[in-house]
Amino acid sequence: QVQLQQSGAELVKPGSSVKISCKASGYTFTSYDMHWIKQQPGNGLEWIGWLYPGNNKTMYNQKFNGKATLTADKSSSTAYMQLTSLTSEDSAVYFCARRAAIGPNWFAYWGQGTLVTVSS
Amino acid sequence: DIHMTQNPVSLSAFIGDKVTITCRASQDISRYLGWYQQKQGQSPKYLMYYASNLLSGVPSRFSGSGSGTEYSLTITGIQPEDAATYFCQQCYSYPLTFGSGTKLEIK
Repeated sequence: QVQLQQSGAELVKPGSSVKISCKASGYTFTSYDMHWIKQQPGNGLEWIGWLYPGNNKTMYNQKFNGKATLTADKSSSTAYMQLTSLTSEDSAVYFCARRAAIGPNWFAYWGQGTLVTVSS
Repeated sequence: DIHMTQNPVSLSAFIGDKVTITCRASQDISRYLGWYQQKQGQSPKYLMYYASNLLSGVPSRFSGSGSGTEYSLTITGIQPEDAATYFCQQCYSYPLTFGSGTKLEIK
């Protein structure tokens, strides 16, 4: 079965960077886009972007240009998201997610989420 | 960007009640609308696609409807396990956008 296993919670200082991971299993990693989604406490969901591991093509929500960088390691079936120049506004839970086998970009599979806390 | 306006922000219902959550898109999204359920401390769960198609395993008390810019999720015969926050999401165009969520409380 499809599983997305994310890295653990991070406590980071303002101005620093953080890189979180999402290890995929149960399917061919290079066949599906990996999406990233932000959820701030008590807030809704924001789509950050996707990376297609088959050719490393990316698409970003313009709002996150310069903030988030998506990469992947095919050898370990792991997707990564790096967040830079962190501020308190970046404190959130970040999810990786994959669409269903058939159909457009609704997310049938989600990681458990990674909490990023930006604090001095 | 397509803005998704979801209402109400929260609602409270008794077991067995019927509730409806609405989602309005800022432009026609041609039924490219999905619904999710998120319980406290969990990842969202995908419930429905193309506005009215239930995922396998989702109880039949959940139903969806709508077209154009107006969509709704209805739960008929609320159960205790339905306590959650519900989100809509359009995938008609990028950037993908979500509604702000509706928190359902069971009385």
